[in-house]
Amino acid sequence: DAGVIQSPRHEVTEMGQEVTLRCKPISGHNSLFWYRQTMMRGLELLIYFNNNVPIDDSGMPEDRFSAKMPNASFSTLKIQPSEPRDSAVYFCASGETQYFGPGTRLLVL
Amino acid sequence: GENVEQHPSTLSVQEGDSAVIKCTYSDSASNYFPWYKQELGKRPQLIIDIRSNVGEKKDQRIAVTLNKTAKHFSLHITETQPEDSAVYFCAAISNFGNEKLTFGTGTRLTIIP
Repeated sequence: DAGVIQSPRHEVTEMGQEVTLRCKPISGHNSLFWYRQTMMRGLELLIYFNNNVPIDDSGMPEDRFSAKMPNASFSTLKIQPSEPRDSAVYFCASGETQYFGPGTRLLVL
Repeated sequence: GENVEQHPSTLSVQEGDSAVIKCTYSDSASNYFPWYKQELGKRPQLIIDIRSNVGEKKDQRIAVTLNKTAKHFSLHITETQPEDSAVYFCAAISNFGNEKLTFGTGTRLTIIP
């Protein structure tokens, strides 16, 4: 089992650019979670899906953020346009006990 | 919604001594309480969890206790080792399997050799 897979692992972009983060959950897991971690705000839940359906997106900061889960093996988190304050580590987790992926370290200049 | 408070925010312990981290929660319906360990630059990893029908659970040097009446739960690490140095997060969920976890703010544990 490869665990939760995230790509890219690191992303550096300029303000205003679109950023797409990708996640492949563990096969068989019905739930998928997107988190953002910063020193200032800690670990924040952005959105979670159950059986590919978004259940709670109350943590999504604003309309610039969107997430999709077109099938059970793939999810994306998109930021458009990106801003410097979006710089953080973004984790994807799957399963009821939430196995975390390695994270994507995003830096917006 | 659920609110989880975690204390202390930092903790330094001499190697070999015990460490205790405490969390309180607000939603009496919460019934699942996991603990995560996050080493520097790495992902949070589940180290132990407890459900509301159990008062204590042990796994080698790690134990978790739960007091549902007082709505608090604690992580106990005995015979601490340098590799225990990390940030530890508690969390609570009110409807296991269909609700989101609410995390505490984390405890940075440093083991002093």
